[in-house]
Amino acid sequence: RKEVEQDPGPFNVPEGATVAFNCTYSNSASQSFFWYRQDCRKEPKLLMSVYSSGNEDGRFTAQLNRASQYISLLIRDSKLSDSATYLCVAGPSENYDMRFGAGTRLTVKP
Amino acid sequence: EAGVAQSPRYKIIEKRQSVAFWCNPISGHATLYWYQQILGQGPKLLIQFQNNGVVDDSQLPKDRFSAERLKGVDSTLKIQPAKLEDSAVYLCASSLGTGKADTQYFGPGTRLTVL
Repeated sequence: RKEVEQDPGPFNVPEGATVAFNCTYSNSASQSFFWYRQDCRKEPKLLMSVYSSGNEDGRFTAQLNRASQYISLLIRDSKLSDSATYLCVAGPSENYDMRFGAGTRLTVKP
Repeated sequence: EAGVAQSPRYKIIEKRQSVAFWCNPISGHATLYWYQQILGQGPKLLIQFQNNGVVDDSQLPKDRFSAERLKGVDSTLKIQPAKLEDSAVYLCASSLGTGKADTQYFGPGTRLTVL
């Protein structure tokens, strides 16, 4: 079983749509969680951290469910510029440092 | 503020050859990471340095991969000998402190093709 698993995607949505990504992690001792964004042939960049109480940054909302060991990312009012791959990251724990999921590809179409 | 620098940006070699990648982290960043990202997959941590000491190299294939961080600043990652399955983008990242939850800033990566 992979340490961090994400929706396989791809997600193809129209502009203005709301889209949600889920991610599960296997190590219950993981302490920190993040969503990174990676554009095609570019490096990953931090989108947002995920806090236990949930957090929002503009059109983006991240939530953490420790009991079920999953993280979610909600994007409202999708823009063309949101097209990218979204990487879920969990860690660290006493066993390992940050672990990335394989990513979910999002394409927003006009 | 300058970002993480990596070179070369692209490298094509034949299997069994050797190759080295260089990374210059953001000034003042104590922690440096090397990741391997195979097409269609997420980044896989190869090695993590804290200053010039190794913190985590559990996923580094030590029979062919080596890395060092001289003086706690620049770092090099070497593959010797390369295999076809080493074709990937090698990403270097750095973070400010020694806290494991620090934001990681990635360099542009080195795209390696092994023929």
